[in-house]
Amino acid sequence: GEDVEQSLFLSVREGDSSVINCTYTDSSSTYLYWYKQEPGAGLQLLTYIFSNMDMKQDQRLTVLLNKKDKHLSLRIADTQTGDSAIYFCAAQARYSGAGSYQLTFGKGTKLSVIP
Amino acid sequence: GAVVSQHPSWVICKSGTSVKIECRSLDFQATTMFWYRQFPKQSLMLMATSNEGSKATYEQGVEKDKFLINHASLTLSTLTVTSAHPEDSSFYICSAPRQGANTGELFFGEGSRLTVL
Repeated sequence: GEDVEQSLFLSVREGDSSVINCTYTDSSSTYLYWYKQEPGAGLQLLTYIFSNMDMKQDQRLTVLLNKKDKHLSLRIADTQTGDSAIYFCAAQARYSGAGSYQLTFGKGTKLSVIP
Repeated sequence: GAVVSQHPSWVICKSGTSVKIECRSLDFQATTMFWYRQFPKQSLMLMATSNEGSKATYEQGVEKDKFLINHASLTLSTLTVTSAHPEDSSFYICSAPRQGANTGELFFGEGSRLTVL
């Protein structure tokens, strides 16, 4: 099955850029996602990228996809203290029916922003 | 606002009792919902896929008699942890796919933290 790996911790200073990296194993994943989880809360979809794209930009977020290397990254420009959270990389896994897919999640990268 | 709501957010129960967690899709119908369990500093572990009008599909290693799932309507799925033990203490999260999209996007509930004493 799909396996998704990401580093567990990242610490950056406020105002700097953060780059969170992720690797996955199943090249057939059509979509790849980044979710954000704040303490004690559920997950919030930040962005996603279709597998035939190399890059997607959405305000301060830039997603880069290297399909050959099965490598996904999330760059947060001008990181703020409010960006402190756990960021999960996820890849489509198997089809669950009714137009929905199960996702395989990485273990999450805890981003700490130093004021 | 939240499009998937879970209740309760926090629950503490005694060992041996059963606890029910509700997951509701707000303003949209969800024929499928997913239940996850999250351990501290770990990722989400998919427990089961809840299917409206039929039996849930459980992942390998998840006891279906322990974690009862009922998808009674197009907007409600429930997870009942039966005869709870301290090792069942965890953060349980549900999700539902975004309606009408084939992008696989999921809306997540806020999560329910279960503590079994």
